[in-house]
Amino acid sequence: DSGVTQTPKHLITATGQRVTLRCSPRSGDLSVYWYQQSLDQGLQFLIHYYNGEERAKGNILERFSAQQFPDLHSELNLSSLELGDSALYFCASSVGSQGSGQPQHFGDGTRLSIL
Amino acid sequence: AQTVTQSQPEMSVQEAETVTLSCTYDTSENNYYLFWYKQPPSRQMILVIRQEAYKQQNATENRFSVNFQKAAKSFSLKISDSQLGDTAMYFCAGGGSQGNLIFGKGTKLSVKP
Repeated sequence: DSGVTQTPKHLITATGQRVTLRCSPRSGDLSVYWYQQSLDQGLQFLIHYYNGEERAKGNILERFSAQQFPDLHSELNLSSLELGDSALYFCASSVGSQGSGQPQHFGDGTRLSIL
Repeated sequence: AQTVTQSQPEMSVQEAETVTLSCTYDTSENNYYLFWYKQPPSRQMILVIRQEAYKQQNATENRFSVNFQKAAKSFSLKISDSQLGDTAMYFCAGGGSQGNLIFGKGTKLSVKP
């Protein structure tokens, strides 16, 4: 058990819809990272928050947004969903901010299926 | 730009034998960190081992060790005494000043009885 909690585990929805993925980091971790794992793109970094502030953006679509709340949990919002958004979405947490080299601990992921 | 390359899509090994998974990376950063993650069929991402690129000493965690060649930008993972539970996808990843990880495409390892 990594200590990182992601909900829900599975999500099935239709094109055009909007969903919210939730992540609670390990106790004491201030950084939250979101990654997308798909068959064609592999594991790709989406966005990084540290102690409530956005620190870095990767290949995140404009239809996607995220935030980290004062209690340090984070939500990833995906809107106007397309078939290509079907993927496994991981949240990872670490103690430090960017450049600290702290290992990232991953949640079990949310599997999103778009029908 | 940072890149991580795993050139072996699939490998297999007999139980109790040793296997080495290859990884090369490219970055202009000095303060760089390298990781191996394991993803079993359950799809969890499990940290196997971590190496700081400025350290010459190779990291070791029980049956897992790395061969880090800084000049060659090579970071291979050696698994000794392979066990059936080692069957998984293995991802090499690098992280620098931005904090996020760049992953290779993975190597699917099958341990055969």
